[in-house]
Amino acid sequence: ILNVEQSPQSLHVQEGDSTNFTCSFPSSNFYALHWYRWETAKSPEALFVMTLNGDEKKKGRISATLNTKEGYSYLYIKGSQPEDSATYLCAFGNSGNTPLVFGKGTRLSVIA
Amino acid sequence: GAGVSQSPSNKVTEKGKDVELRCDPISGHTALYWYRQSLGQGLEFLIYFQGNSAPDKSGLPSDRFSAERTGGSVSTLTIQRTQQEDSAVYLCASRPALSGNTIYFGEGSWLTVV
Repeated sequence: ILNVEQSPQSLHVQEGDSTNFTCSFPSSNFYALHWYRWETAKSPEALFVMTLNGDEKKKGRISATLNTKEGYSYLYIKGSQPEDSATYLCAFGNSGNTPLVFGKGTRLSVIA
Repeated sequence: GAGVSQSPSNKVTEKGKDVELRCDPISGHTALYWYRQSLGQGLEFLIYFQGNSAPDKSGLPSDRFSAERTGGSVSTLTIQRTQQEDSAVYLCASRPALSGNTIYFGEGSWLTVV
């Protein structure tokens, strides 16, 4: 059974703070690691798909790193804004045609 | 439409009734997935379609759950004799190709069984 762990489960930060959270996944049979952002009453939105060890991706104030050998990825948010409040999901894929396995998510609340 | 469309967006049903949830994927996407998230839990995989066939049904929690996909497009997820533990948001997602691509989610169908 594939296990994807995310920590922390929830996080409250002040507007302007930078923050980061972790996704742990199996280090064998790695194919891809996905990050999604899920706001209440909306559909989960894809942030990054990462496939190479050492990969770093950036989208505005959000960035992510990937270590496939040790099985973890970090998501960073610089200068958090209230609109960043959402649940951040990571998902692990061990091949191109098997369903992604999701973690339980990190729920971020940014307080103005 | 441009995105994955799901209906109904909200459904309240009585315990023991059957419900049907519909997913209309992005046009041309061959792979379709159903997930659900119950309160306090992570996204749980239910079933995956490639075209009209379902190579992976391993996540269906019981034989009360079934799904079909016709014409390589619309999919329906049917829950028979609903139970309170079936209350969850049911998310559908589609993907254009087998390898490495992002999956695109709908907004979900929020099911409450009372």
